[in-house]
Amino acid sequence: EPEVTQTPSHQVTQMGQEVILRCVPISNHLYFYWYRQILGQKVEFLVSFYNNEISEKSEIFDDQFSVERPDGSNFTLKIRSTKLEDSAMYFCASSESTGPDTQYFGPGTRLTVL
Amino acid sequence: AQKVTQAQTEISVVEKEDVTLDCVYETRDTTYYLFWYKQPPSGELVFLIRRNSFDEQNEISGRYSWNFQKSTSSFNFTITASQVVDSAVYFCALDSGGGADGLTFGKGTHLIIQP
Repeated sequence: EPEVTQTPSHQVTQMGQEVILRCVPISNHLYFYWYRQILGQKVEFLVSFYNNEISEKSEIFDDQFSVERPDGSNFTLKIRSTKLEDSAMYFCASSESTGPDTQYFGPGTRLTVL
Repeated sequence: AQKVTQAQTEISVVEKEDVTLDCVYETRDTTYYLFWYKQPPSGELVFLIRRNSFDEQNEISGRYSWNFQKSTSSFNFTITASQVVDSAVYFCALDSGGGADGLTFGKGTHLIIQP
């Protein structure tokens, strides 16, 4: 069964460093998403992406964040200058269509900022 | 604004008991989808069910059943004859409006099934 994959599973970085989290969405899906979950809290929407541009973004998704689809399979989330409060689990998701549709989630990347 | 409330933070039951997880939602949209996801201790988010706002039929899948009531804006989830493997955090989520909107999640209910 097709699934969303994410790498790395765990990333440790120093405050102020840039990190790139990678995702491979399900191959026939057209819509891609990033969410984050601070430990013990609810899952929060960051951004959605369609046709090579951002569709929607939340208040959390400020100028420190950016997303990109560098090729036909990968979808990345970049945090330019990490802060301690960026420590969280980051989930990538994809859906076949919108309007709305089921989003399938990857296993997540745990980001730890020291 | 959209909102999902899962009032039960944690529920603990003994194996084989039935358990119901509550979900109440708020939205101004007439077209929306409701979801339940399971997050086991390993951390991933597993899709369980999707229900659209025009379909109020209850759904049963094995030991799982869902009760959608528009009149009370609720979408409750019942596990019958619970098993230890059902132990997880369960999230209710809402997706409404057009476009690639993100899901609005509730805070989750931590379900503990004791042997």
